[in-house]
Amino acid sequence: EVQLVESGGGLVKPGGSLRLSCAASGFTFSRYHMNWVRQAPGKGLNWVSSISTRSTKVYYADSVKGRFTISRDNAKSSLYLQMNSLRAEDTAVYYCARFDDSGSFDQWGPGTLVTVSS
Amino acid sequence: SYELTQAPSVSVSPGQTARITCSGDSLSKQYAYWYQQKPGQAPVLVISKDNERPSGIPERFSGSISGTTVTLTISGVQAEDEADYYCQSSDNSETYVIFGGGTKLTVL
Repeated sequence: EVQLVESGGGLVKPGGSLRLSCAASGFTFSRYHMNWVRQAPGKGLNWVSSISTRSTKVYYADSVKGRFTISRDNAKSSLYLQMNSLRAEDTAVYYCARFDDSGSFDQWGPGTLVTVSS
Repeated sequence: SYELTQAPSVSVSPGQTARITCSGDSLSKQYAYWYQQKPGQAPVLVISKDNERPSGIPERFSGSISGTTVTLTISGVQAEDEADYYCQSSDNSETYVIFGGGTKLTVL
């Protein structure tokens, strides 16, 4: 069974940092592009970042460019998101999502909540 | 910037057909995908590549495209279909992933 499980969320002050992790199992992690998608409370889905299978290509939404860094460790089947200079508007549930061959997010984790507040 | 536009809400009675649309200039060149999200849950893919239904998705879910508008059709709507529905695509350079604002489907 494919599983994605995020961790690392919590309460952080504005300007602070947080590192999210996503543990993957049930599939060959190294064969899939991976993503982070977030959802602010009561709002819609927003794509945050993507990373290719070998980490050679990374992409970011304009809203997080220069502050967030996506990375992966294929040996550990894990995806990461380093978030620096956090702002109140970064408050959201952060989902780890797998890109399948068709270009869709075919598997999602349950999400981890990040709250940025003083 | 590239945007996908969805109506905020759609309401239908059980057994009727619900149509949820998503408009965006790049939809004529890039595939669209649809996700269903129920409260407190992660999204679930219901339509891939404009009109392909993933394994396990009921046949009442279908997708279509006309020009720069894609449509998610739910035939014979059931109470369990009440959820938020999001379209998703990418910009023409395939650099950015874009979601529509979401449509809340209410089953009366």
